[in-house]
Amino acid sequence: AAGVIQSPRHLIKEKRETATLKCYPIPRHDTVYWYQQGPGQDPQFLISFYEKMQSDKGSIPDRFSAQQFSDYHSELNMSSLELGDSALYFCASSHLSAGYEQFFGPGTRLTVL
Amino acid sequence: AQSVAQPEDQVNVAEGNPLTVKCTYSVSGNPYLFWYVQYPNRGLQFLLKYITGDNLVKGSYGFEAEFNKSQTSFHLKKPSALVSDSALYFCAVRDSGYSSASKIIFGSGTRLSIRP
Repeated sequence: AAGVIQSPRHLIKEKRETATLKCYPIPRHDTVYWYQQGPGQDPQFLISFYEKMQSDKGSIPDRFSAQQFSDYHSELNMSSLELGDSALYFCASSHLSAGYEQFFGPGTRLTVL
Repeated sequence: AQSVAQPEDQVNVAEGNPLTVKCTYSVSGNPYLFWYVQYPNRGLQFLLKYITGDNLVKGSYGFEAEFNKSQTSFHLKKPSALVSDSALYFCAVRDSGYSSASKIIFGSGTRLSIRP
């Protein structure tokens, strides 16, 4: 079965650079979520989109922005990167018919040097 | 606000023995509870969920969880542990917002270690 696809899987950036993470949800899933998992921490919710509109917002820094496109894929844009942004970034997708279950992608590991 | 608590940072069990990973929750309204597992350098894999219905929920890889409303608990269990079950386990609750895209709130995680 198709799963959530995230690209790239690994990304290394310098401080103050920008990064773009991409997420391709499971086909026919209309909701996308972004989570950030720091080293040794639990995943923290950043932002979600439903039918291409921002639905909920969590602890997402102002330096970050995201959107969901017409094909339902989503991109997380991160600017002025800081060392503390180094983390595993998960995307998840869901559809109401799936009983609120969120399916997670493999994550993008971002390292900021 | 919704929250879940995992009181144990680590659980150690011998292979073949039953295992329990504890989780308690605090929610307003009906709880939507989940267990996820994370293997090293891997994503989060869904194990099981409780939305409504039977208190005993069966999930992937032989895991099950018991929803206990009076004790506000949702402990993860398996009758006979395997070494391959060693991983990080997260209990989670869906935020009860009206949005269909309500976020999941994770517990702090419990590292399960199964010794041969």
